[in-house]
Amino acid sequence: KQEVTQIPAALSVPEGENLVLNCSFTDSAIYNLQWFRQDPGKGLTSLLLIQSSQREQTSGRLNASLDKSSGRSTLYIAASQPGDSATYLCAVSGSARQLTFGSGTQLTVLP
Amino acid sequence: DGGITQSPKYLFRKEGQNVTLSCEQNLNHDAMYWYRQDPGQGLRLIYYSQIVNDFQKGDIAEGYSVSREKKESFPLTVTSAQKNPTAFYLCASSPPGGGAYNEQFFGPGTRLTVL
Repeated sequence: KQEVTQIPAALSVPEGENLVLNCSFTDSAIYNLQWFRQDPGKGLTSLLLIQSSQREQTSGRLNASLDKSSGRSTLYIAASQPGDSATYLCAVSGSARQLTFGSGTQLTVLP
Repeated sequence: DGGITQSPKYLFRKEGQNVTLSCEQNLNHDAMYWYRQDPGQGLRLIYYSQIVNDFQKGDIAEGYSVSREKKESFPLTVTSAQKNPTAFYLCASSPPGGGAYNEQFFGPGTRLTVL
């Protein structure tokens, strides 16, 4: 059974710092990996989707990488801002298009 | 204005009652999903449906039921058999095609509290 782990569970950084969030998964037979953002009490916003054949995806200040063979993905956030404060979730898609989620990293960017 | 809507935003239930959470999408997506989120945890799949009149159990289906009579709608019923229903419930949908291109889009969620 697929398991997804996100480390650290919480992270606090000063504004302007570059940071990396980590995601690992146990079964490399995935179709894709998605990174989501969740604000308190809200639904999920899709940030980036990396297909299994891709190595990375970029959107603005965000860059996500995927190493399927080692079961790892990273989300890089450049020049962090207080508005980036949220919980970041990664999820992998297996058969039947189901997503398996990690527990998330709660990010706080201090002004 | 396309998207996924969930109602109500907040729902309170007495023990022993069944309640139904609504999920509607106007994105013309084939597949729809229900997830449960507990504090400090990721999402767990309850049920999913890839086509009208068909649905499958996810990892934690016990105490829940669904129907998929229309492409746009995928209501979730939390029955009295669900022993710990207090949680945040999220509905999602994904477009046709699946596989590596399958991207799920989420609604705003319903917070259910058992009194």
